[in-house]
Amino acid sequence: QQQVKQSPQSLIVQKGGISIINCAYENTAFDYFPWYQQFPGKGPALLIAIRPDVSEKKEGRFTISFNKSAKQFSLHIMDSQPGDSATYFCAAKKNNNAGNMLTFGGGTRLMVKP
Amino acid sequence: EPEVTQTPSHQVTQMGQEVILRCVPISNHLYFYWYRQILGQKVEFLVSFYNNEISEKSEIFDDQFSVERPDGSNFTLKIRSTKLEDSAMYFCASSVFGPSQYFGPGTRLTVL
Repeated sequence: QQQVKQSPQSLIVQKGGISIINCAYENTAFDYFPWYQQFPGKGPALLIAIRPDVSEKKEGRFTISFNKSAKQFSLHIMDSQPGDSATYFCAAKKNNNAGNMLTFGGGTRLMVKP
Repeated sequence: EPEVTQTPSHQVTQMGQEVILRCVPISNHLYFYWYRQILGQKVEFLVSFYNNEISEKSEIFDDQFSVERPDGSNFTLKIRSTKLEDSAMYFCASSVFGPSQYFGPGTRLTVL
C-alpha cells in the first residue's frame, strides 16, 4: 500500500512531441503528489506538484493530470526538447504524515531525440 | 536562488568505519531530510528532522544511523559502522514547512 508504481521505465520521444509518464498508487491517504527531474550526477529537482482537490495543474510545458477515482496521476511534457532528457520520478506523501516522508516511484528515463 | 549544499561529493570508506555526511539546508527552511538512492534504483526516504528532533524515520534508518543539527546551518547524517550495502547516493533535502522538498546534489558513498 506504500508503493507508487511508475511507467514506463524508459521513453523515447522525438523533439517537439509529447512525453507522458504515468504513476499509480493504492493508498488513499496520499494527498500530495510531486514530480522530480533528475539529471545524471545531480539531485532530484522539484518540477511540479499537485494535491487531489484539483484534476490538473500546468506550469509552462509541464502538466500534471490527476485522476482521484482511478488513483493515477501523470506528467505530460509538451513540446519535448533534448534538454528534457533526464530521469523523472513521481512521488507521494500521506496526509497524516507529520514528517513529510515522500514515497518515490521507480523512475522513468526519458530521451528526447533531436 | 538558494540551494541545498552537501559535502563531500564523494566519500570512500572501509567497511566498519564511521562516516559523517554533511549538508547545509536552505537558510529559512525548517524541515530537513535524508534520502538515499542505490545506483539505478529509486530514491528512498531515510529520516526527517524538525525542531531539533526526528519527526519520522524509515525502516532503513536503524541504530547505525543518526542525524544531528550541530549548529544553525549544518545538518549531518552519521553512519556508525558502514556496510557494503550502505554504498549509495545520499541526498539531503529541506523544505520550509510543507512537503515541497528541495534536494542537494548528493554525496556518493562507496564502502569497500
